[in-house]
Amino acid sequence: AQSVTQPDIHITVSEGASLELRCNYSYGATPYLFWYVQSPGQGLQLLLKYFSGDTLVQGIKGFEAEFKRSQSSFNLRKPSVHWSDAAEYFCAVGNTGGFKTIFGAGTRLFVKA
Amino acid sequence: KAGVTQTPRYLIKTRGQQVTLSCSPISGHRSVSWYQQTPGQGLQFLFEYFSETQRNKGNFPGRFSGRQFSNSRSEMNVSTLELGDSALYLCASNSDSLNTEAFFGQGTRLTVV
Repeated sequence: AQSVTQPDIHITVSEGASLELRCNYSYGATPYLFWYVQSPGQGLQLLLKYFSGDTLVQGIKGFEAEFKRSQSSFNLRKPSVHWSDAAEYFCAVGNTGGFKTIFGAGTRLFVKA
Repeated sequence: KAGVTQTPRYLIKTRGQQVTLSCSPISGHRSVSWYQQTPGQGLQFLFEYFSETQRNKGNFPGRFSGRQFSNSRSEMNVSTLELGDSALYLCASNSDSLNTEAFFGQGTRLTVV
């Protein structure tokens, strides 16, 4: 069955520090992977996506993610976190059209000054 | 182009009542998916409509239903509301093309009292 695991429910980092959010997936075929961000009370905004090709994917707001097939992982990284990055982050796996996307439980990011 | 529009943004209903939520997808998108988001269960897939037909369905009781109109606008209905139906309901619009992602609306916050 398709599933996504985000092992960290919440993470706290200092402003300016680096960030890595973990994501592991289970998917029968070639996965289509996404990272979304959600601010309180808002919908989800796509940060980046991986379909094929280069396993290091660049996204918006300075985020990047690396697809590692051998580890079934798609971790999200940012070299220097800003206070405005505080939000909830969702890793997701889906099909080519993006419908019936399966989401992880989310990781809430807190940024301390 | 305009994004995904969900109405209303907020709703308060009484247990036992029914509710209808509306979603207007991005122009040209024919696929609309619905998700329920709660603190305890996270983001859960409800169903997906494509060209007025339900194409995929999650594991929700029959009280949750939906439909899609010829202009791709979609509605979801919840009958006999329960307290546990209180959630943020998110609609996602998809182009159903290769290498695309889901675009989300801001959601409808339903509170059942």
